[in-house]
Amino acid sequence: DVLLVQSGAEVKKPGESLTISCKSSGYTFSNHFIAWVRQMPGKGPEYMGVISPSDSETIYSPSFQGQVTISVDASTSTTYLHWRSLKASDTATYYCARLLALHCGRATCHGFDPWGQGSLVTVSS
Amino acid sequence: ELVLTQSPGTLSLSPGERAALSCRASQRLTHNYLAWYQQKPGQAPRLLIYGASTRATDVPDRFGGSGSGTDFTLTISGVEPEDFAVYYCQHFGPSSPWTFGQGTRLEIK
Repeated sequence: DVLLVQSGAEVKKPGESLTISCKSSGYTFSNHFIAWVRQMPGKGPEYMGVISPSDSETIYSPSFQGQVTISVDASTSTTYLHWRSLKASDTATYYCARLLALHCGRATCHGFDPWGQGSLVTVSS
Repeated sequence: ELVLTQSPGTLSLSPGERAALSCRASQRLTHNYLAWYQQKPGQAPRLLIYGASTRATDVPDRFGGSGSGTDFTLTISGVEPEDFAVYYCQHFGPSSPWTFGQGTRLEIK
């Protein structure tokens, strides 16, 4: 089975740094980009960015550029999301997800599947 | 940035009824780069539909996607009790961040 398993819940203070992880298994890790998605309490998902495990090429959503760093360790099939200085507004559940590229007629269509179970990050003084 | 607007915000139906959820894009989507997800409380979203109309693996055939250009619809032909959840659309256009719609909550009437 394809699985993405994320690190556990974190409680941090504003200004602290944090790295959460997402370990993939059950498929060839280098063949699929990994995305990160934020979901604030009671809100919809927000796309943060995506990374290629084969060459670490990373594309950030403009809303998250400079706010977080996405990285990958291909030797352990693990993707990371890092904050240098957390803010209270970073409180949310963060999901990783595998980017599927699927044939749709003459085009290639995409979807996020599967998703990790989510990592709840709480930032409070 | 391409914006997806979902309607209605909440849809109240009885089991067995047909559900139609709308997702409208602010710009035309080429190649129907649109996906639909289902999210239940405390769970991660689950991919239902990609390419606007293709069901993902193991998705029941009561779920269907349709539409093109700027107007897309997720249809549930007969809502089952396990289908009551929040549904999101997401686009995968080449020149914009891959934004999500704000969601439609399907609730039991």
